[in-house]
Amino acid sequence: AQSVTQPDIHITVSEGASLELRCNYSYGATPYLFWYVQSPGQGLQLLLKYFSGDTLVQGIKGFEAEFKRSQSSFNLRKPSVHWSDAAEYFCAVGDKYKLSFGAGTTVTVRA
Amino acid sequence: SQTIHQWPATLVQPVGSPLSLECTVEGTSNPNLYWYRQAAGRGLQLLFYSVGIGQISSEVPQNLSASRPQDRQFILSSKKLLLSDSGFYLCAWRKEDEQYFGPGTRLTVT
Repeated sequence: AQSVTQPDIHITVSEGASLELRCNYSYGATPYLFWYVQSPGQGLQLLLKYFSGDTLVQGIKGFEAEFKRSQSSFNLRKPSVHWSDAAEYFCAVGDKYKLSFGAGTTVTVRA
Repeated sequence: SQTIHQWPATLVQPVGSPLSLECTVEGTSNPNLYWYRQAAGRGLQLLFYSVGIGQISSEVPQNLSASRPQDRQFILSSKKLLLSDSGFYLCAWRKEDEQYFGPGTRLTVT
């Protein structure tokens, strides 16, 4: 069975500071990994994805994520957050057809 | 370009009433379609997915059902809503290896 754990329910970060969101997964084969962002009351937008190849992937809005097979992790990072990065972030794992999502991490950005 | 629509955007329904949420996709054919539910403070739960007209797979047993009467139309229904059905319902479609999400419907059951 596939599952995703996002250990941090809520993170507060100062504008301009770095951000790291944790994601651990359980999957029986080589996983497809995704990070999505959701602004309040909106649908989800894909930030980045990993299927194979280079384990450090770049996404939109200055985000990147690193796949670490030995740790079953796919953590999301951003060197310098902007106020507009305040949102909820979801990690997902699966194959081409079905995804399992984590419970999400809410990011608050303080001035 | 492809676009996904959901309606209504918000809905308040009494317990025991029926439900019908609609999702349509434009600009593609024979998409894989998905219904997810997001309860307050929780992640997304896959409810149903469809690989073609009339083909529905249910992921979670509950009082909801789904139908796909047309290639690009996906409907989520219930005969009698429960309080626990409240949440944010998201439709998605798959293109290659990515899922694209609609704007969602906020359902409040009172």
